[in-house]
Amino acid sequence: EVVLTQSPATLSFSPGERATLSCRASQSVSNYLAWYQQKRGHGPRLLIYDASNRATGIPARFSGSGSGTDFTLTISSLEPEDFAVYYCQQRSNWPYTFGQGTKLEIK
Amino acid sequence: QVQLQESGPGLVKPSQTLSLTCTVSGASIRNGAYYWSWIRQYPGKGLEWMGYVYYTGSTYYNPSLKSRLIMSVDLSKNQFSLKVNSVTAADTAVYFCARGDIVGTEYSWFDPWGQGTLVTVSS
Repeated sequence: EVVLTQSPATLSFSPGERATLSCRASQSVSNYLAWYQQKRGHGPRLLIYDASNRATGIPARFSGSGSGTDFTLTISSLEPEDFAVYYCQQRSNWPYTFGQGTKLEIK
Repeated sequence: QVQLQESGPGLVKPSQTLSLTCTVSGASIRNGAYYWSWIRQYPGKGLEWMGYVYYTGSTYYNPSLKSRLIMSVDLSKNQFSLKVNSVTAADTAVYFCARGDIVGTEYSWFDPWGQGTLVTVSS
């Protein structure tokens, strides 16, 4: 199965800063990668799909890029509500798999 | 607005069967444009896709769990269900149900998800 590696496990930023999160796949997943945001006590929310498309209702400060094995989620200017855990997921091959997550915390 | 809600026992004894139900509101499970998945999250926060069921009753399971899973749909109640047999402490997790889009022949992303329900396996 495809292994997705997100590093580091935790990132610390201040509101207003730009954040860049990384996801690396063990083999090419083309552009079949999504990003989800999870807040405590809730299920993950789809942010970005097919590597670079924002899901419905997602603010423009969220953007995704990459293809093949290396992907990036960028938050251009962090808002207080953006501090959460972010997961990547691939749908190139069954079983669909997720990264271990990156926690974005307030510095 | 589509909402999914998991329900079921929060505590299951080892070797027994874990049973959960997902109730869907704001959308019909009969809609062939969607598939319905179960995903679990371990205490260490890792997420594992377990399998999906289609409104026809057809299923596809994660090979790592295939021998212990049964998923089904109840169209009359707009619900789908999960059973995991022979549970151990390693099955302790938060269980989520989620809807996935079918785009052409491709099984696409999970959106939305339920809020999840914690199931603890312990005697």
